[in-house]
Amino acid sequence: EVQLVESGGGLVQPGGSLRLSCAASGFTFDTHAMTWVRQAPGKGLEWVSTIIGSGGSIYYRDSVQGRFTISRDNSKNTLYLQLNSLRVEDTAVYFCARDQSLARGVIAWFSDSWGQGAQVTVSS
Amino acid sequence: DIQMTQSPSSLSASEGDRVNITCRASQGIGHYLAWYQQNPGKPPRLLIYAASSLQSGVPSRFSGSGYGTDFSLTISSLQPEDVATYYCQNYNSPPPAFGPGTKVDLK
Repeated sequence: EVQLVESGGGLVQPGGSLRLSCAASGFTFDTHAMTWVRQAPGKGLEWVSTIIGSGGSIYYRDSVQGRFTISRDNSKNTLYLQLNSLRVEDTAVYFCARDQSLARGVIAWFSDSWGQGAQVTVSS
Repeated sequence: DIQMTQSPSSLSASEGDRVNITCRASQGIGHYLAWYQQNPGKPPRLLIYAASSLQSGVPSRFSGSGYGTDFSLTISSLQPEDVATYYCQNYNSPPPAFGPGTKVDLK
């Protein structure tokens, strides 16, 4: 069974930093691209970032480019998202999601398994 | 970037009713369209990908159709457990974009 468990969320002041982790199990981690999607309170889903299985290709939405860093440690089956220079508008639940990569090195760009989410609140 | 719209934004239907949700892309995306279901406080669940392919484990009362710019999700007979918000998502090319969602309630 695929399991994705996020951790590292919390309350931080504007301009602060957090690191989210997502521990994966139940599948061959390095064969799948992984994605972070966020959902602001009462709002819809918003794609944040995707990293290919090898870690060699990375993509970000424009509003987080230069502030957030996605990474992965395939030896630990763990995905990360480093959030720097946080803004009030970054407040959201951040979901870790597995890309339905049908082949190594390929990104399907949609997700077939999701974690429960980590709450990030940016407030003074 | 491609923009996604959905209609209606919300609907109420009776148990057993047929429910249709529409999703439109701002430009053609082929069949690169997924549908998700999300219950309050829960993560999204993949229902449909490639516009009409049913994800494993999803009940057959869910179906998807469409190509290019216009897509639809159909629930053939609404059940109480189908009360949720439904999102479409374009995955033709990055950045992947979600629609604003359609909230489905029971009358």
